[in-house]
Amino acid sequence: EIVMTQAPATLSVSPGERATLSCRASQSVNSILAWYQQKPGQAPRLLIYGASTRAAGIPARFSGSGSGTEFTLTISSLQSEDFAVYYCHQYNNWPRTFGQGTKVEIK
Amino acid sequence: QVQLVQSGGGLVKPGGSLRLSCTASGFTFSDYYMTWIRQAPGKGLEWVSYINIGGDYTNYAGSVKGRFTISRDNAKNSLYLQMNSLRGEDTAVYYCARNIGDVWGQGTTVTVSS
Repeated sequence: EIVMTQAPATLSVSPGERATLSCRASQSVNSILAWYQQKPGQAPRLLIYGASTRAAGIPARFSGSGSGTEFTLTISSLQSEDFAVYYCHQYNNWPRTFGQGTKVEIK
Repeated sequence: QVQLVQSGGGLVKPGGSLRLSCTASGFTFSDYYMTWIRQAPGKGLEWVSYINIGGDYTNYAGSVKGRFTISRDNAKNSLYLQMNSLRGEDTAVYYCARNIGDVWGQGTTVTVSS
């Protein structure tokens, strides 16, 4: 099973600042990686798939990069609605696996 | 509009069974593979199961393999998760999702407790 490790566990950021979230896979997943945002009491929302392609309706301030084992989600200028938990997810290998999440909180 | 509506959660005793349903509308259900994902209270997301478009290929997380069965009825635009031999650690909110999660159900709570 591929283990997905996200860092940091919690990221404290001021509104308007840049946030950089990391996700590392225990073995290569090529570019078959997605990022999700989840707010309390809500279902997750797909942000990025294929490591760098924004899903429909996702603002341009969200960007994804990386391939192989190292991936990054960048939020260029945090808005109030961006404070949430973010998960990476590999769908290259069985079983599919998620990272443990990074909570982005207001500094 | 495009949506997935879930039903079937609830409270069940350890060793019991439960069947979750997920009904699609607003898109051609038979064009998409489907997934079940769960989230234990206060925890992260856990991938549970996958089914392909035709329903003839499935895959499961090790934690549920042999106990859970995913299925679909394309004529009814519906996805199912039959859960048997339930354990306390199966307590979670269960979500159905289209493809890799471009559309999600609202989630349904399963509580396994005596």
